[in-house]
Amino acid sequence: KQEVTQIPAALSVPEGENLVLNCSFTDSAIYNLQWFRQDPGKGLTSLLLIQSSQREQTSGRLNASLDKSSGRSTLYIAASQPGDSATYLCAVVSGTSGSRLTFGEGTQLTVNP
Amino acid sequence: DAGITQSPRHKVTETGTPVTLRCHQTENHRYMYWYRQDPGHGLRLIHYSYGVKDTDKGEVSDGYSVSRSKTEDFLLTLESATSSQTSVYFCAISDPDRPGYGYTFGSGTRLTVV
Repeated sequence: KQEVTQIPAALSVPEGENLVLNCSFTDSAIYNLQWFRQDPGKGLTSLLLIQSSQREQTSGRLNASLDKSSGRSTLYIAASQPGDSATYLCAVVSGTSGSRLTFGEGTQLTVNP
Repeated sequence: DAGITQSPRHKVTETGTPVTLRCHQTENHRYMYWYRQDPGHGLRLIHYSYGVKDTDKGEVSDGYSVSRSKTEDFLLTLESATSSQTSVYFCAISDPDRPGYGYTFGSGTRLTVV
């Protein structure tokens, strides 16, 4: 059974700081890995998708890396802003025909002005 | 997300009553999913569908049933609601046949069982 762990569970940083969120998974047989953002009381917004054959993906100030062999992914946020405050969720796609998405419990990020 | 809508957005119901939540997509994705999100448990898969009339159980399927009579719609039914089913329910879509596919989530339905 795939298990996904995110560290830290919560993080508070001053505005402008660069930061790294960590995600680990137990079964390296994944199709892809997806990072989401969730604001309080809202749905999930996809940030980055990394296919199993890729090592990293970038979108603006966000960079996500994937190391399948070690079962790890990181989400790097550059020059953090108060608007980045949210919960960040890591999810891996595995199972028959890539049908299962397993989530970590998330990292709650607060960026202070 | 514009391609996936859930209804209702909020619902309060009494213990023992049946409840149906609806997910509608306009993306023609093959797979549709129902998740629930609870503090301390994260997001957990209830049921999913890989085509019209093709469904399978997730990790927390007890007390829930689903139906998919057409590609666009995936219904989640609580046959007899219990307080433990108070949660936020999310629908998601994906299509493994499309290159670089990912998952897209709806805005959620907040269900309270009293």
